[in-house]
Amino acid sequence: NAGVMQNPRHLVRRRGQEARLRCSPMKGHSHVYWYRQLPEEGLKFMVYLQKENIIDESGMPKERFSAEFPKEGPSILRIQQVVRGDSAAYFCASSPPDQYTGELFFGEGSRLTVL
Amino acid sequence: DAKTTQPPSMDCAEGRAANLPCNHSTISGNEYVYWYRQIHSQGPQYIIHGLKNNETNEMASLIITEDRKSSTLILPHATLRDTAVYYCISYNFNKFYFGSGTKLNVKP
Repeated sequence: NAGVMQNPRHLVRRRGQEARLRCSPMKGHSHVYWYRQLPEEGLKFMVYLQKENIIDESGMPKERFSAEFPKEGPSILRIQQVVRGDSAAYFCASSPPDQYTGELFFGEGSRLTVL
Repeated sequence: DAKTTQPPSMDCAEGRAANLPCNHSTISGNEYVYWYRQIHSQGPQYIIHGLKNNETNEMASLIITEDRKSSTLILPHATLRDTAVYYCISYNFNKFYFGSGTKLNVKP
């Protein structure tokens, strides 16, 4: 049973380019969360999605950032027109449906470097 | 925003118990307390969670005060591989709030 898979593990972009980060949740999991971690800081919640629905995007920047979790395929975190401040580790986590207490299973992260 | 506060760092001798405190005086009655750890720059790893009662599993023990304003994570016999950042997190309605955590340094 594979864990949460994130790719790419490392991504380098120049300012103004687009970054797409993918997350495949664990088998049977229908809830996906995205977190951002700046160097030397803790994880910051960005967005919580279920299949085809954004449940909570209160941590997402208002511009340039978007997330989706389609019926088929991985969840995508998209960052348009990247800036140097977007350089961070982006972690995806998943949890099974109908979970009451909540335990998140994290991927190994995608590290974005903006030149 | 995080509803928990933790000391930024702690040292522990290898083989001794590591006691990591967490203050969560503002969490509500139905919010669980979770502990995760992050080794180096890997993805966070679940350790344990609790609501009111003390909990124990193969990794650690969690002691929650009766008033639920604070808790302590206990690693009974710390090893060098337990060196990590430990996060005490409140959980409510599918939202986990991570603070800055405690950097535990286990020393030989």
